[in-house]
Amino acid sequence: EIVLTQSPATLSLSPGERATLSCRASQTVSSYLAWYQQKPGQAPRLLIYDASSRATGIPARFSGSGSGTDFTLTISSLEPEDFAVYYCQQRSNWPLTFGGGTKVEIK
Amino acid sequence: EVQLLESGGGLVQPGGSLRLSCAASGFTFSSYAMTWVRQAPGKGLEWVSAISSGGGSAYYADSLKGRFTISRDNSRNTLYLQLNSLTAEDTAVYYCAKSMTTVTSYSDYWGQGTLVTVSS
Repeated sequence: EIVLTQSPATLSLSPGERATLSCRASQTVSSYLAWYQQKPGQAPRLLIYDASSRATGIPARFSGSGSGTDFTLTISSLEPEDFAVYYCQQRSNWPLTFGGGTKVEIK
Repeated sequence: EVQLLESGGGLVQPGGSLRLSCAASGFTFSSYAMTWVRQAPGKGLEWVSAISSGGGSAYYADSLKGRFTISRDNSRNTLYLQLNSLTAEDTAVYYCAKSMTTVTSYSDYWGQGTLVTVSS
């Protein structure tokens, strides 16, 4: 099973700041990695797939990069609605797995 | 508009069974793989199971040890998850999600989830 390790666990930032979230895989997943956003009491929302493709309707301030084992989700300028928990997920190998999440909180 | 509506959750005793359903609408159900993901209270997301568009291929998380069974009825646009030999560790919100393609992939639409509580 591929283990995805997300860091940091919590990121404390102010609106307008840049957020950089990391996801590291225990073995290569090529570019088969997605990022999801989840707000309290809501279902997850797909943001990025195949490491760098934005899902439908996702603002351009969200971008993804990386391949192999190291991936990054960048939010260029945090909006109030971006404070949430973010998860990465790989679809390279069965079983599919999620990272433990990074909480982006208001500083 | 894509809609996924889970049902069947509730309180069940340890060792018991439950069948979850997910009614889909707003897309051609038979053309997409489907997935179940769960989230224990206050915890992260855990991928549980997935099934191909035609139902011929199913995949499970290693941790389930054969206790769960995924299935689908494309004539009823409904996804199922049979949960057996439940323990307290299975307490979670169970989400059904639509894959982006016919084979299991990322999940682009999610239901609101159904809560399963395993307790005596």
